[in-house]
Amino acid sequence: DTEVTQTPKHLVMGMTNKKSLKCEQHMGHRAMYWYKQKAKKPPELMFVYSYEKLSINESVPSRFSPECPNSSLLNLHLHALQPEDSALYLCASSSAGSGNTIYFGEGSWLTVV
Amino acid sequence: AQSVTQPDIHITVSEGASLELRCNYSYGATPYLFWYVQSPGQGLQLLLKYFSGDTLVQGIKGFEAEFKRSQSSFNLRKPSVHWSDAAEYFCAVGLYNQGGKLIFGQGTELSVKP
Repeated sequence: DTEVTQTPKHLVMGMTNKKSLKCEQHMGHRAMYWYKQKAKKPPELMFVYSYEKLSINESVPSRFSPECPNSSLLNLHLHALQPEDSALYLCASSSAGSGNTIYFGEGSWLTVV
Repeated sequence: AQSVTQPDIHITVSEGASLELRCNYSYGATPYLFWYVQSPGQGLQLLLKYFSGDTLVQGIKGFEAEFKRSQSSFNLRKPSVHWSDAAEYFCAVGLYNQGGKLIFGQGTELSVKP
């Protein structure tokens, strides 16, 4: 089965809070991704990790801090967010390299108040 | 620059009718093409993909898509739509030399009339 698991499913945080989103996959994939999706819009790439190293940062503000503790886990640390950061955050994974299928999790709904 | 265009923002079809969702891409090399579906409040589920070979690809839930290089298109089709197919559909191109980065179209919202 292809499965990417994200927790929590819903998160409400204040602008001064520190929180984290978590993602896990057990498909042996060595590339993991964070995407952000606003309502009625397509997902936008934020970060790519390949073999546990950050390979792509799409000029994301530093209030978002990714971490890849091992090949199965991916975190997104959140600090001092703004209300406009409220969105669906999608984690995804794939075999490393180009031309591989990217599998998405169900997402974490983030609301910043 | 690479881009994906889905010309139809919203389509409504009757249950049992056929469906075609359009997708055009702009990319200099041979593209890796995907169709994803997203139900309300859910993540993205892969319907099908094209990497090479047979230009007519079969996917899950009875969907198929045809790659036409001359038209830079990858249209999604289904012969008979079910009410459960109502969702948002995204076409995407995978960039060969950018570590698996996907460029998405704006999406097409499908509504199904009983």
